[in-house]
Amino acid sequence: KNEVEQSPQNLTAQEGEFITINCSYSVGISALHWLQQHPGGGIVSLFMLSSGKKKHGRLIATINIQEKHSSLHITASHPRDSAVYICAVRSDQKLVFGQGTRLTINP
Amino acid sequence: EAGVVQSPRYKIIEKKQPVAFWCNPISGHNTLYWYLQNLGQGPELLIRYENEEAVDDSQLPKDRFSAERLKGVDSTLKIQPAELGDSAVYLCASSLVTAAEQFFGPGTRLTVL
Repeated sequence: KNEVEQSPQNLTAQEGEFITINCSYSVGISALHWLQQHPGGGIVSLFMLSSGKKKHGRLIATINIQEKHSSLHITASHPRDSAVYICAVRSDQKLVFGQGTRLTINP
Repeated sequence: EAGVVQSPRYKIIEKKQPVAFWCNPISGHNTLYWYLQNLGQGPELLIRYENEEAVDDSQLPKDRFSAERLKGVDSTLKIQPAELGDSAVYLCASSLVTAAEQFFGPGTRLTVL
């Protein structure tokens, strides 16, 4: 079993829909990252959080340390949000990555 | 400020040939990482440098992979000889210090035929 599990693996939605991507982890962590990867592009950090909730524009990230679970939400989704979203946890000075969630937003 | 620079962006080689990737981290970043990313998977750490010292190379297949970070700035990752299974994206990242946010380069997509 992977130390970081994301769900769903693939998600297709219509423009404007509210999107939720989930991340569960099984190790002790000092921080959790949400990253975005566009096709052919590098990885961009969206959030780093260790407790509670963070918001940036239409993106919201939450984490529940007790349940070892985090969610990434996108409000009013847009086709330009189409990308792979990766959850990564910092454990023992290493980043351990989930397999990613491929999000496609159709116009 | 320039981000992490990698070259080449794409490389196609035949199996058993050598290949090298180059990374220039963000200026002032002491920690440099090389990751391997297979299709549909998250990145996996190959090696982490703090300045010029490789502090974590436990996942680097040392029979065919090697890396160096001379002078604690630029780094090269080499595969010799390449195998079909090495086809992947090789990502370089850097951070100010190990616990800080990592910034990723665009990656080198390697295809081994």
